Amino acid sequence: TQLLEQSPQFLSIQEGENLTVYCNSSSVFSSLQWYRQEPGEGPVLLVTVVTGGEVKKLKRLTFQFGDARKDSSLHITAAQPGDTGLYLCAGYSGGFKTIFGAGTRLFVKA
Amino acid sequence: DSGVTQTPKHLITATGQRVTLRCSPRSGDLSVYWYQQSLDQGLQFLIQYYNGEERAKGNILERFSAQQFPDLHSELNLSSLELGDSALYFCASSEGAPNTGELFFGEGSRLTVL
Repeated sequence: TQLLEQSPQFLSIQEGENLTVYCNSSSVFSSLQWYRQEPGEGPVLLVTVVTGGEVKKLKRLTFQFGDARKDSSLHITAAQPGDTGLYLCAGYSGGFKTIFGAGTRLFVKA
Repeated sequence: DSGVTQTPKHLITATGQRVTLRCSPRSGDLSVYWYQQSLDQGLQFLIQYYNGEERAKGNILERFSAQQFPDLHSELNLSSLELGDSALYFCASSEGAPNTGELFFGEGSRLTVL
C-alpha cells in the first residue's frame, strides 16, 4: 500500500517566520501536487512537480521534488496570516491513482 | 472558481435517511473523484469514475454508491445514514488520459446527520 507521510501535522508560527513542510514516501511518483485548503472550502491546486530535483517558486512559496521522485518539500518564506490553512501533498503514480498525505495545518499569527 | 460544481452545499438529515450529492465536473474533464473529509481529518478517497465507468474504489462503505452519467455529471448516494457519516464530501475532476494527476475540487457538500 502506498503511503504519503506529511510532517509536521500542525504548525503555529508568528508572521514573518519561515517554515518547511515535508512530504515523504517509499514510492516513486510520476508527479506530485501541493494543495491548500481553507476551512469549509475545497482544496485548491498550488503546483505540480514532475521532474526529479525540480524546484518551482510561487511568490513566497518554494516547492521541491526529490531527486528520486519519492519526496517533496514546501518552503514558505516570511509567512503571513493569509497563508493559514491546510496544506496537502498528493502523489500521482499513473492510472488515475492519486494518494493524499494527511495534511499540515498551518496557523500564522499576526 | 475551479469549475467543479457541487450541490447541495449544506444538508442536514436524520439517521437512517438517504441523501444524494451531485457533482458537475469541469468542462471537458472525463474523470470524477469523490472524497470524504471528516472534522480535522485528511481526504479519504471513496470512488472514481472515468467517462461513465468505475475505475477505482477506495474505502467506500457498502451503504454508499455512486455513478457517472452520460453527460459526465456524477452522483454520490449515501443511505442508512449514521452519525459518523457527518462530513464534508468533495468531488474533484481531472482531464482524461494522459493524466497529470492534477485534481480540481468543488467547494464540497457538508452533510450533518442528526
